[in-house]
Amino acid sequence: RKEVEQDPGPFNVPEGATVAFNCTYSNSASQSFFWYRQDCRKEPKLLMSVYSSGNEDGRFTAQLNRASQYISLLIRDSKLSDSATYLCVVTQNSGYALNFGKGTSLLVTP
Amino acid sequence: ETGVTQSPTHLIKTRGQQVTLRCSSQSGHNTVSWYQQALGQGPQFIFQYYREEENGRGNFPPRFSGLQFPNYSSELNVNALELDDSALYLCASTPRQGPSDTQYFGPGTRLTVL
Repeated sequence: RKEVEQDPGPFNVPEGATVAFNCTYSNSASQSFFWYRQDCRKEPKLLMSVYSSGNEDGRFTAQLNRASQYISLLIRDSKLSDSATYLCVVTQNSGYALNFGKGTSLLVTP
Repeated sequence: ETGVTQSPTHLIKTRGQQVTLRCSSQSGHNTVSWYQQALGQGPQFIFQYYREEENGRGNFPPRFSGLQFPNYSSELNVNALELDDSALYLCASTPRQGPSDTQYFGPGTRLTVL
């Protein structure tokens, strides 16, 4: 079983739609959680960290459920520029190896 | 921009050859990690270097090796290249101060093995 599993995607949504991505992780000792965004043929870039209390950054909301080992990302009012692959990332130890999911592809269409 | 650079951007090699990829991070970033990203997959952790010593390793064979230098640059060496080594190789550095989980990625080197 892979350590981090994500929705297979791809997600094709119209501009203005709300879209949600889900992710589960297998290691209950995991300490830190993130969503990264990766544009085609580019490097991953940190989108946001994920906290148990949930956190919001503009149109993006991330949630963590430690009991269920589940992470989510909600994007409201989708923009064309949101089209990218979204990677769920978990790490066991601070500053150590990042464990990436396979990624979920999002295409926002006009 | 993250201030992390990698060279070369693209590289083509043949099976059995050896390759060296380079990464240069910002001053003050004393930890560097290397990842392999195959097409359609998420990045996979290869190893991490801290203060010029290997600080942890993922599930990669010994023919993947690395070095970190005092000037915050780093190398990834791969011997006896195989077709499956074709991938995007990413390095990521971590600042000495600030959230220790934050890793800043370079643009990557795309390696093709024929």
